[in-house]
Formats: sequence, structure tokens, C-alpha cells
Amino acid sequence: DARVTQTPRHKVTEMGQEVTMRCQPILGHNTVFWYRQTMMQGLELLAYFRNRAPLDDSGMPKDRFSAEMPDATLATLKIQPSEPRDSAVYFCASGLGSTYTDTQYFGPGTRLTVL
Amino acid sequence: SQQGEEDPQALSIQEGENATMNCSYKTSINNLQWYRQNSGRGLVHLILIRSNEREKHSGRLRVTLDTSKKSSSLLITASRAADTASYFCATFGGGGSNYKLTFGKGTLLTVNP
Repeated sequence: DARVTQTPRHKVTEMGQEVTMRCQPILGHNTVFWYRQTMMQGLELLAYFRNRAPLDDSGMPKDRFSAEMPDATLATLKIQPSEPRDSAVYFCASGLGSTYTDTQYFGPGTRLTVL
Repeated sequence: SQQGEEDPQALSIQEGENATMNCSYKTSINNLQWYRQNSGRGLVHLILIRSNEREKHSGRLRVTLDTSKKSSSLLITASRAADTASYFCATFGGGGSNYKLTFGKGTLLTVNP
């Protein structure tokens, strides 16, 4: 049963610290998405990749957030320095990258708390 | 900004009743998808309806799409307590290099036993 995996599942850190979240997409999927979910803003798209190339990161605060795909099996989202307003659940999702019918498969999320 | 807007924001029904959730969107789409999110979990894809389709069924789910009104509805028949979750519509523009979904804020469905 292929699944998207995310680590860590929970992270508590202090303001100013670097946070790295990791995602392993489903094998064979070539699109990877990073979302942030909060009660106030709902589900926000931060960035996404196709074939490891970034296609859109317009939803991401550029000064502190960065997203990369070092290889096809790993996507990372980094926050440096972290702030309390970054507290949220961060989801990774992957898809086959079909132009007209793509669906996304979500990981379980990383719940981040910044104190 | 989010394109899909679900209505109602919250819905509480008794087990066995039907639940209907609506979604409105603003721009043209290639397809519209519905996802479910159980508390503390990631979203799970439920059903996809293409822009040239008007209705689609999957088990107890029925989705309709009216592109002239830019709206969709999700009907869950004979609801169960296990259907308690948040339901999101997501629009897919498609074409070119656009692979992203735009999600609404969701409808929280509570099914009481």
C-alpha cells in the first residue's frame, strides 16, 4: 500500500531555531506539493515541484522558507529562523503529474509548534 | 486566495440521513475533486469530476457539477458515524505547467450515532 511519508510527525521548537521537515513521495510520482494548514487560513499551497524542478513557490515566505528536492525520493521544507506564526500542520502530497486529471495523495502531516 | 468555497461551513446530522455539501468556484476548471480529512490526518481523495461531466457516483457518494453556475455538490447518502470528517472541494485548472489544486476551507460534517 503506497503512501506518502513525512517526518517528523510532531515538532516543538523555540523561536529562531531551524526546522527541517522531510517527505518521501510515492514511488513513481513526479509532482510533490507542500501545504500549510491552520484554522484561520485553511489549507495553503506553499510550493510544488515536477520532476524535482520547482514550478511554483509563490505561496512561501521567501525570506525564511526554502523547499528542495535533493532526489526523487526526498523533498524537504526548511524554516530558518522559525517564528510562532509558523505553527501549523505541514502536509506533503504527491501526484502522477497528469496534465488534465491529476489527483494528490497526502502524507500524515508534520505538526509544528514554535514557542 | 482560495477558489473553492464550501457551504455550509459545518453540518450536523443523524446517522442514516443524507448529507449535502456545496462548493462554488470562480474561474474555469479542468476538473473538480472532493477530499476528506479525518481529524489529525492528511486529506484523502474521494472523487473527481471532469468539466464535461455533470454527475458522478462512487458508492454512497454522488457529485454534481454545474459549470455554468461554477458550482458543485457532494451528496453522501445513508451517512454513518465514520463519515464524520471535514470535506474539501479542490479545483484543477490543468494545462501547460499548472498541476496545482486550489482548495476551499472545507465543510465539517458531524454524523451523530
